Amino acid sequence: DTEVTQTPKHLVMGMTNKKSLKCEQHMGHRAMYWYKQKAKKPPELMFVYSYEKLSINESVPSRFSPECPNSSLLNLHLHALQPEDSALYLCASSQAPGIPYGYTFGSGTRLTVV
Amino acid sequence: GQQLNQSPQSMFIQEGEDVSMNCTSSSIFNTWLWYKQDPGEGPVLLIALYKAGELTSNGRLTAQFGITRKDSFLNISASIPSDVGIYFCAGQLGAQKLVFGQGTRLTINP
Repeated sequence: DTEVTQTPKHLVMGMTNKKSLKCEQHMGHRAMYWYKQKAKKPPELMFVYSYEKLSINESVPSRFSPECPNSSLLNLHLHALQPEDSALYLCASSQAPGIPYGYTFGSGTRLTVV
Repeated sequence: GQQLNQSPQSMFIQEGEDVSMNCTSSSIFNTWLWYKQDPGEGPVLLIALYKAGELTSNGRLTAQFGITRKDSFLNISASIPSDVGIYFCAGQLGAQKLVFGQGTRLTINP
């Protein structure tokens, strides 16, 4: 298995909703990442998990809450989002922190906040 | 913060033509990566470069890691319709971060 799987593929949520994005990989990668991508822009790093511990938070608002339950799973919990948070949310993984070998992205979750 | 200057921003070419795009930075990177992204999908890794001066090919794609470690280029030879998409360069910054260029949008006229 050489894929990063993200669910759901599309999500529409209201500003008072609570939802979660899920990411899964079975490549034995020990670093996992959340990126946010706005239309016609490059991906921007949000969070990095190294060996299941949060190692980088790029000053992301607290309405985004990441979680890494185990080495294969990464979640992003969403609460009280704003319409400007609508974007493509990408998960990625790599063999180990600092080693870009096999730096693989999922297909993303297209999030719309209404 | 660190920025990658990627050019051109867009290209309109005829099928069969060769394509060249590049990225430059004021910072030194240890690794350069080139990705292609199709609409509604995540970026897919095309080529990874790990040593200054390295020249690597992947089918019709060729990329080089600049000797100064501050630039990289990607060439696509004999373009075909499925080459359409957005191409991103990315440099590894520190231990765990990738910095992306702004992307080159490639359009091919049949």
